[in-house]
Amino acid sequence: DIQMTQSPSSLSASVRDRVTITCQASQDISNFLNWYQQKPGKAPKLLIYDASNLETGVPSRFSGSGSGTDFTFTISSLQPEDIATYYCQHYNNLPLTFGGGTKVEIK
Amino acid sequence: EVQLVQSGAEVKKPGESLRISCKGSGYSFTSHWISWVRQMPGKGLEWMGRIDPSDSYTNYSPSFQGHVTISVDQSISTAYLRWSSLKASDTAMYYCARRGSGGWYFDYWGQGTLVTVSS
Repeated sequence: DIQMTQSPSSLSASVRDRVTITCQASQDISNFLNWYQQKPGKAPKLLIYDASNLETGVPSRFSGSGSGTDFTFTISSLQPEDIATYYCQHYNNLPLTFGGGTKVEIK
Repeated sequence: EVQLVQSGAEVKKPGESLRISCKGSGYSFTSHWISWVRQMPGKGLEWMGRIDPSDSYTNYSPSFQGHVTISVDQSISTAYLRWSSLKASDTAMYYCARRGSGGWYFDYWGQGTLVTVSS
């Protein structure tokens, strides 16, 4: 199985800060990487697919980059409504696996 | 509007069987794979397996193979997740999710079904 290692596991930042989360795959997964946001008590929501493509309707302050084994998810200007846990997910092969999640809080 | 609507919360005893459901609407149900994802209390997301509703072809994560069964009823646009013998460790929130039109991303999710297994 491909292991997806996210870091940090949690972070605290101020409104309007730039926030960066990394996701490292245990082997090359090309750009087969997606990012989701999960707010407390809610289902996950797709934000970024294929490493860097913004899902329709998702604010442009969210972005993703990377390929191979190293990926980055960025919130360019943190907003109060961005408080959530963020997950990466690969689909290079089966089984599909998610990273452990990054909990984002407001400082 | 695309929707995945899951069945309600369940409370079961160890050893009991259970089937939960996920009904799709607002799209061609047979055109998009459905996956099931587990989230144990306070933990992350785990992919359990997937089904192609057009022909019921399934794949399972090795972690769940043999413990759950994924099926579908095309006639009512509904996917199912079934346990024949629940364990306390099956206590979790279970989500169904639809594969998007491109790669293997999940563009729509059900609201989740909480399964509690306790004696």
